[in-house]
Amino acid sequence: KQEVTQIPAALSVPEGENLVLNCSFTDSAIYNLQWFRQDPGKGLTSLLLIQSSQREQTSGRLNASLDKSSGRSTLYIAASQPGDSATYLCAVLTGGYQKVTFGIGTKLQVIP
Amino acid sequence: EPEVTQTPSHQVTQMGQEVILRCVPISNHLYFYWYRQILGQKVEFLVSFYNNEISEKSEIFDDQFSVERPDGSNFTLKIRSTKLEDSAMYFCASSIQGLGQPQHFGDGTRLSIL
Repeated sequence: KQEVTQIPAALSVPEGENLVLNCSFTDSAIYNLQWFRQDPGKGLTSLLLIQSSQREQTSGRLNASLDKSSGRSTLYIAASQPGDSATYLCAVLTGGYQKVTFGIGTKLQVIP
Repeated sequence: EPEVTQTPSHQVTQMGQEVILRCVPISNHLYFYWYRQILGQKVEFLVSFYNNEISEKSEIFDDQFSVERPDGSNFTLKIRSTKLEDSAMYFCASSIQGLGQPQHFGDGTRLSIL
């Protein structure tokens, strides 16, 4: 059974800092890994999707890497801004047909 | 940008009653999903739906739950005989294709069972 863990559970940084969020998964036989952002009371916004054959994906100030063999992914956020404050979720698609397993998320607060 | 819409945003129901949560996926998407998130816990997969049938479901999705695409635009989740532990946020998602494509989520329906 796939398990997804995210560390740290919460993170508070001053504006402008670069930061790294970590995600690990137990079953390396994944199809893809997706990073989401969740704002309070809102749904999930897809940030980046990495296919199992890829090593990284970039979008603006965000860069996600994937090391499938070790069961790890990182989300790098450059030059953090207060608007980045949210919970960041990691989710993997493993076997089955679109069965996605989520981590519990990292709650990020960027202080102005 | 097209988005997934869910109604209602908040549903309050007496225990034992039936509830229907509604979703309008993005119009050209072919795959549809329901997830739930109990307060303070992980988002959990419930079911995926393609070509008018369930393609995968989790162990949570038992006989109490059913899904339907009653017309060309709506996708519904029905929960029969609701229990207190069904209280959660329910998210609908859709994707244009299956494997390898990002899923787009709605803002969710908060279901409160009294």
